[in-house]
Amino acid sequence: GAGVSQSPSNKVTEKGKDVELRCDPISGHTALYWYRQRLGQGLEFLIYFQGNSAPDKSGLPSDRFSAERTGESVSTLTIQRTQQEDSAVYLCASSLAILLYNEQFFGPGTRLTVL
Amino acid sequence: RKEVEQDPGPFNVPEGATVAFNCTYSNSASQSFFWYRQDCRKEPKLLMSVYSSGNEDGRFTAQLNRASQYISLLIRDSKLSDSATYLCVTLGGGFKTIFGAGTRLFVKA
Repeated sequence: GAGVSQSPSNKVTEKGKDVELRCDPISGHTALYWYRQRLGQGLEFLIYFQGNSAPDKSGLPSDRFSAERTGESVSTLTIQRTQQEDSAVYLCASSLAILLYNEQFFGPGTRLTVL
Repeated sequence: RKEVEQDPGPFNVPEGATVAFNCTYSNSASQSFFWYRQDCRKEPKLLMSVYSSGNEDGRFTAQLNRASQYISLLIRDSKLSDSATYLCVTLGGGFKTIFGAGTRLFVKA
C-alpha cells in the first residue's frame, strides 16, 4: 500500500513569505506527527495529532508555526513570515494509533530553503 | 541538557565486528523506547522497539536500564549495509516523541 507522502518535496521561498507543507498519512492511521530536521542534526518534535486534535502544541518553535488536520487524514503545517532559521527538512510520520509501542512511518520530507 | 543524548561518533568498524551504542535519557517518565535507523538523506525507519526485558532481532540486541536511564544497541557481525545513523528514541509524557541526534556508523570492507 501507499506510504506517507509529503508535498512539495522541495520549497524555496523568500524571507517573509508564508509556506504551506502538506502530509498525506497512511490510510487508516489515526496518529500523525510533524518533525523538523536541520542539516546534520537530529529530529526536533513539533506536534502530533490524535485524530484531528492536537493535544500539545508546545513543541511548535514560535507562533509563526501552525498545523491542522482534517478528516483524520491530510495535515498541513503552515509557517508564516518565514525566516532563514526555518530552513530545514520537515518530516511527517503517521502511526496506527497513539499507543506506547506503535511504529511511526515517515514520509520523504519537504526540504525548505528560506533565502 | 538534551532529553536524549547519544555519542555522535562516527564509529568506524570493519565488516564482521561487534559494535555497541549507548543512549541516555533524562525524563524518568519516559514510557517506551526505540531504535530507528536513518540512511543519508533518507527518512528514519524503525529498527526495533526496546522492551524492559531486553530483546533481540537477528544480529541486533537492545537493552533498557530504567534505573540508570540508558538504552543500548548491540550489532553483531556488522555488514556494509549497516552503515547508517542510529537514532535513540523515547516516548515521554503526553506521547511526545524525543529523538536523539544519532550515532553514525561506518562499516568498512
